[in-house]
Amino acid sequence: GNSVTQMEGPVTLSEEAFLTINCTYTATGYPSLFWYVQYPGEGLQLLLKATKADDKGSNKGFEATYRKETTSFHLEKGSVQVSDSAVYFCALRQPGNQFYFGTGTSLTVIP
Amino acid sequence: EPEVTQTPSHQVTQMGQEVILRCVPISNHLYFYWYRQILGQKVEFLVSFYNNEISEKSEIFDDQFSVERPDGSNFTLKIRSTKLEDSAMYFCASSLAGGQFQETQYFGPGTRLLVL
Repeated sequence: GNSVTQMEGPVTLSEEAFLTINCTYTATGYPSLFWYVQYPGEGLQLLLKATKADDKGSNKGFEATYRKETTSFHLEKGSVQVSDSAVYFCALRQPGNQFYFGTGTSLTVIP
Repeated sequence: EPEVTQTPSHQVTQMGQEVILRCVPISNHLYFYWYRQILGQKVEFLVSFYNNEISEKSEIFDDQFSVERPDGSNFTLKIRSTKLEDSAMYFCASSLAGGQFQETQYFGPGTRLLVL
């Protein structure tokens, strides 16, 4: 079946620290992989995506590389800011409409 | 920037009551979705809707659930007789295309439903 497992939170970092949020997946075939972010009081927003193996998605200083050999899509950012405080969701999507999400990882960045 | 909106933001209801959750998708989008997240658990797919009919649904989406696009702008999720385990955050999403095109889905802020 299809599933996503991501690092449990909450994660608390100081401003300018390095961020890694781990995500691994189980899937048949060739899914697309996504990171969504949810800021307080808002909906899920697409942060970045990768549609095939070895693709790197990047946006707003965040990066994630689609690693088929390790079935992973870890999210990284070199220097986090207070404004990055949010809940981050890893997800996969098989051809078709349905997304499979992880449980979400809450990140708090303190000044 | 266009966005998906949902109302209400919070809903409290008694077990056995009917609830209707409302969503206004992005205006030129053609595919609509409902997801839910029970507290502490994963976001789960419920249903997708295209061309005025359900295109895909999960096993969670049983006869207690229904979806409708009553007019050109709203997309609703009805739970006919709520159960305690229906308490969750419900997210609506829409996309311009679907199926093989892997189009990005845009999500609303969610409605938190509490069944007492």
